[in-house]
Amino acid sequence: AQTVTQSQPEMSVQEAETVTLSCTYDTSESDYYLFWYKQPPSRQMILVIRQEAYKQQNATENRFSVNFQKAAKSFSLKISDSQLGDAAMYFCAYRSVSGTYKYIFGTGTRLKVLA
Amino acid sequence: ETGVTQTPRHLVMGMTNKKSLKCEQHLGHNAMYWYKQSAKKPLELMFVYSLEERVENNSVPSRFSPECPNSSHLFLHLHTLQPEDSALYLCASSLTGGGNTIYFGEGSWLTVV
Repeated sequence: AQTVTQSQPEMSVQEAETVTLSCTYDTSESDYYLFWYKQPPSRQMILVIRQEAYKQQNATENRFSVNFQKAAKSFSLKISDSQLGDAAMYFCAYRSVSGTYKYIFGTGTRLKVLA
Repeated sequence: ETGVTQTPRHLVMGMTNKKSLKCEQHLGHNAMYWYKQSAKKPLELMFVYSLEERVENNSVPSRFSPECPNSSHLFLHLHTLQPEDSALYLCASSLTGGGNTIYFGEGSWLTVV
């Protein structure tokens, strides 16, 4: 069975600085999708970025980028030029490309942005 | 417009009550989900409906009963809940297919007293 681990329950970053959130996963599959979701205090979880495992190039979305290391089964999220609005819970998620509908989520990392 | 709307946002119910959570999606998706979110735990997938048929039911107690009357609406019927069922219940939707992004509602915060 697949698992997703986020080992940092909480992180802090100074406004305008860069922070990296860690995520590792375990799977025996060769093809899959990885996601980072953000859940602000309003509670709606929104997609930040996604990565397709068969693509070697790291996904980038404005100030958000990932470091995808397939062999190490690592999928970290880098937030550059952090803003106060980035404060939220961040969840890493895994989804198989096969017929399952199951997204496997980590326990989340709470990010605090300090002014 | 969030795309996935949940009501009510907050619900307090006694252990002998019967209540329902409602979810509606306006994204044209054909799969809908119920997740349970408790503090310091991974999101727990409860139920999945694809094309209005239940395709996953992850050992959820029978006091939780889902209903999907059409591809846009999903309900979670609640009866004789326990205090440990207090949590944030998230509805989500997506298109079928492994790579499709899942979109969440804002959640219904449930407190069982």
